[in-house]
Amino acid sequence: SQQGEEDPQALSIQEGENATMNCSYKTSINNLQWYRQNSGRGLVHLILIRSNEREKHSGRLRVTLDTSKKSSSLLITASRAADTASYFCATSNDMRFGAGTRLTVKP
Amino acid sequence: DTGVSQNPRHKITKRGQNVTFRCDPISEHNRLYWYRQTLGQGPEFLTYFQNEAQLEKSRLLSDRFSAERPKGSFSTLEIQRTEQGDSAMYLCASSLVLGGTGNTIYFGEGSWLTVV
Repeated sequence: SQQGEEDPQALSIQEGENATMNCSYKTSINNLQWYRQNSGRGLVHLILIRSNEREKHSGRLRVTLDTSKKSSSLLITASRAADTASYFCATSNDMRFGAGTRLTVKP
Repeated sequence: DTGVSQNPRHKITKRGQNVTFRCDPISEHNRLYWYRQTLGQGPEFLTYFQNEAQLEKSRLLSDRFSAERPKGSFSTLEIQRTEQGDSAMYLCASSLVLGGTGNTIYFGEGSWLTVV
């Protein structure tokens, strides 16, 4: 089974704009996690949101979780060129990843 | 450095040869994962261990692949009779799972395999 599926597949924005990416999953979860991956590197954990939480913030990141829709969103505010990376979600239930969202932030 | 360590970072091998990758997880992490990732794709789950027990193995993992975690600490992933399709980055990750609740997993930098 594959839990996390990210959307859109690719996103290109200008520096300073906000970036929103979405994640859908299939079954009930304990928590959902977002990760970032720079090209050719390992994944870096960004934020974990538990099933009883609806929103969580960490710096310029805001994550929401809607368990009724089995979906989550990651918002990056005031994006920077250094935010260019692929972003993945995964649920703790099976830690499977989708193809990710490739974010490009143009300076 | 207390992160997840993977060795070697890069490996070029001829088709048909065997290769082995090693992963040293974060100390005291009881769960260890292996993933495979090709360009433009997300990490594909291969297998995971809870301590020394291999609890799940993907159908993607053919009989040429074997993973071990003999003492519940480091793990090895061996690929026998390598094929060009095995060329990928192999990622290891670890986490501390308590009471059955999943927690943050931490990834290594990956081991790149090129089969020529």
